[in-house]
Amino acid sequence: GAGVSQSPSNKVTEKGKDVELRCDPISGHTALYWYRQSLGQGLEFLIYFQGNSAPDKSGLPSDRFSAERTGGSVSTLTIQRTQQEDSAVYLCASSAGQGIPLHFGNGTRLTVT
Amino acid sequence: GENVEQHPSTLSVQEGDSAVIKCTYSDSASNYFPWYKQELGKRPQLIIDIRSNVGEKKDQRIAVTLNKTAKHFSLHITETQPEDSAVYFCAASIGNSGYALNFGKGTSLLVTP
Repeated sequence: GAGVSQSPSNKVTEKGKDVELRCDPISGHTALYWYRQSLGQGLEFLIYFQGNSAPDKSGLPSDRFSAERTGGSVSTLTIQRTQQEDSAVYLCASSAGQGIPLHFGNGTRLTVT
Repeated sequence: GENVEQHPSTLSVQEGDSAVIKCTYSDSASNYFPWYKQELGKRPQLIIDIRSNVGEKKDQRIAVTLNKTAKHFSLHITETQPEDSAVYFCAASIGNSGYALNFGKGTSLLVTP
């Protein structure tokens, strides 16, 4: 079966523009996560969705970041008015439930010029 | 937020030697501790995990130990091989919800022939 799919794989945008990053989780996985990985750094938690519960947004770095998950499946991470410090690889992961391993996508490499 | 500290940041060993990576966490409610391996340009992949009711777990050349009292856990790789070269990340669950994870900053392991 297919793994976690993210698109686009690479995105170059100008400072101040908005971007949308997409994640298709593994079918049937109830939990979906967004992480950010800057060059040479660890994985920074951004947000996660679990079933129909309200998402945990505690990791979002500013109000320019938002995410939605429609129909309990596909998720979109939106960054408004992008800044150069937003440049990073944005990784999406999904899992089948509590304490179950996260399966990561290949990420979207975002470059803000 | 709660932190996961990981050491060392880089580790170089000769093929056949053992490698040990250590992590500490601050959230006493954490109950799930996975380890991920990330090869250059690829997605993080789970290699082993441990839950708070277990002190040690082994899978072939890889073992993980957990000391809940001291809030630290370690990854042990024995008989290292060049293909073990990668960045390794430890993680601890955020609280005991078992869903989202806080990651360490990673250890770059190099195994030289």
